[in-house]
Amino acid sequence: EAGVVQSPRYKIIEKKQPVAFWCNPISGHNTLYWYLQNLGQGPELLIRYENEEAVDDSQLPKDRFSAERLKGVDSTLKIQPAELGDSAVYLCASSLRTSVAGELFFGEGSRLTVL
Amino acid sequence: AQSVSQHNHHVILSEAASLELGCNYSYGGTVNLFWYVQYPGQHLQLLLKYFSGDPLVKGIKGFEAEFIKSKFSFNLRKPSVQWSDTAEYFCAFSGGGADGLTFGKGTHLIIQP
Repeated sequence: EAGVVQSPRYKIIEKKQPVAFWCNPISGHNTLYWYLQNLGQGPELLIRYENEEAVDDSQLPKDRFSAERLKGVDSTLKIQPAELGDSAVYLCASSLRTSVAGELFFGEGSRLTVL
Repeated sequence: AQSVSQHNHHVILSEAASLELGCNYSYGGTVNLFWYVQYPGQHLQLLLKYFSGDPLVKGIKGFEAEFIKSKFSFNLRKPSVQWSDTAEYFCAFSGGGADGLTFGKGTHLIIQP
C-alpha cells in the first residue's frame, strides 16, 4: 500500500515569492491534515479536511496561507508571499476518520527554506 | 489549552541501557494517546497508541508505554535500547476524538554503540 506522498521534498525560494506543496493521501483516507514543523519542535496543526471540507483551519495564517482539497483526495498548500519565518517542514498526514481518533499516517514532508 | 510536555529534549544512552521518556498531557476529558518516532531521514511513524483498556500498551520494536490517568502521563519505556533506536520521539494525544493530534516538542534520543 502506497503511503502519503508529498512534493516537492525540498524547496528554496527568496522571500516574497510564492510556493506550493502538494499531498496525495493514502487511498480511502477521507481525513487530511497539514502540519507545520519548525526545527526542534513538534508538528503543529495548520488545517484539517474531512473530504473536501476544511473543518478546522483556525491555526492557518489566512493572510498568506491557503489550502484546497477540491475533489476530496489530493490537497495543495500555498504560501504567498513567503516570509523568512516560514522556513520549516510542512507535513501532510491522512487518516480514515477523525471521529474515531485513529492513527495518522504522515508523508515525508516538504522542507521549505526562505532566503 | 491542550498541550503535551515532554520532559527531556535530548537523551544520550549507551546500548543495552534502559529507556524511559516522560510525557504529560494537559486535557480534562477522555484522551487517546500516541507515541510517534522519526528515524533520521524518514517520516513520522506510529510506535504505539492507547485508546482504552489495559493502560500498559506494547508497540513495535520492544517499546511499551503506560497510561497513568491520575498523573496525566504516558511514559515510553524500553528495557534495552539498541543503536538503531536513535531517533526523534514525539508524544501526542487527541481529546474527544475529533480534532487531530496535539504533539509534544519531541525528545532527541542518541544511542551510543
